[in-house]
Amino acid sequence: GAGVSQSPSNKVTEKGKDVELRCDPISGHTALYWYRQSLGQGLEFLIYFQGNSAPDKSGLPSDRFSAERTGGSVSTLTIQRTQQEDSAVYLCASSLIRWDQGTEAFFGQGTRLTVV
Amino acid sequence: GENVEQHPSTLSVQEGDSAVIKCTYSDSASNYFPWYKQELGKRPQLIIDIRSNVGEKKDQRIAVTLNKTAKHFSLHITETQPEDSAVYFCAALQRGKLQFGAGTQVVVTP
Repeated sequence: GAGVSQSPSNKVTEKGKDVELRCDPISGHTALYWYRQSLGQGLEFLIYFQGNSAPDKSGLPSDRFSAERTGGSVSTLTIQRTQQEDSAVYLCASSLIRWDQGTEAFFGQGTRLTVV
Repeated sequence: GENVEQHPSTLSVQEGDSAVIKCTYSDSASNYFPWYKQELGKRPQLIIDIRSNVGEKKDQRIAVTLNKTAKHFSLHITETQPEDSAVYFCAALQRGKLQFGAGTQVVVTP
C-alpha cells in the first residue's frame, strides 16, 4: 500500500497569500501529526489528531495557522496571510499510535513552502 | 513540560569508531521512544525504537538504552560507516503527542 502522501511537493507563494497543504495518511492510521522543519533545524511540532478526539493544537505558532482532518483521514494545514518566516518544509506523519502505546510513525515527503 | 533535549547537536567520528547520542525527557508518563534518521533532502525514517518496559534494545550496529528513573535514553552506533552520516532525531511519546529532540548531525569521516 501507499505511504503517507503530501501535496504539493513544492509551493511558492507571495507574502500575504493563503496556502493549503494536504496530507493523505496511511489507511487505517488513527494518529496524524504535522511538523515544521526550517532549513537545518529540528522537527517543530504543530498539531496532532487522534481519532475523533479534539486535536492537540498546542504547537501552532500563531492564529494564522489552522488544520483540519476530515473523516478521520485526509488532513489540510492552512496558513493564512503567509509571512517569509513561514518558509520551511512541512512534514506530515501518521501512525497507529495511541496515547498509551507507541508504534512507528511514518512521514510523508514533505511540502517545501517558500514565501517570497 | 513536554521538552525532549538532545545532545550533542553535531558529532564527528572517524569511520569504525562509535557514536553516542543522548536525550532526556520531562514527562514521566512517556512510554515510547523512537529514533529517526534523516538523510539530506529525505524524510525522517525510523531506525530503532524502545518501549518503557525495556531497558535496552539492539539491532545489528545500533542499540538504544533507556533509564526511566533518570528520564534519559541514548542511541549507540558501533563500527560507524560513511553511510551513517545523517541527522538523527530522538523522540518521546508524551500522552499521545510525539515530541522530537532538536537533532544531531553525525558526520563519519573515512
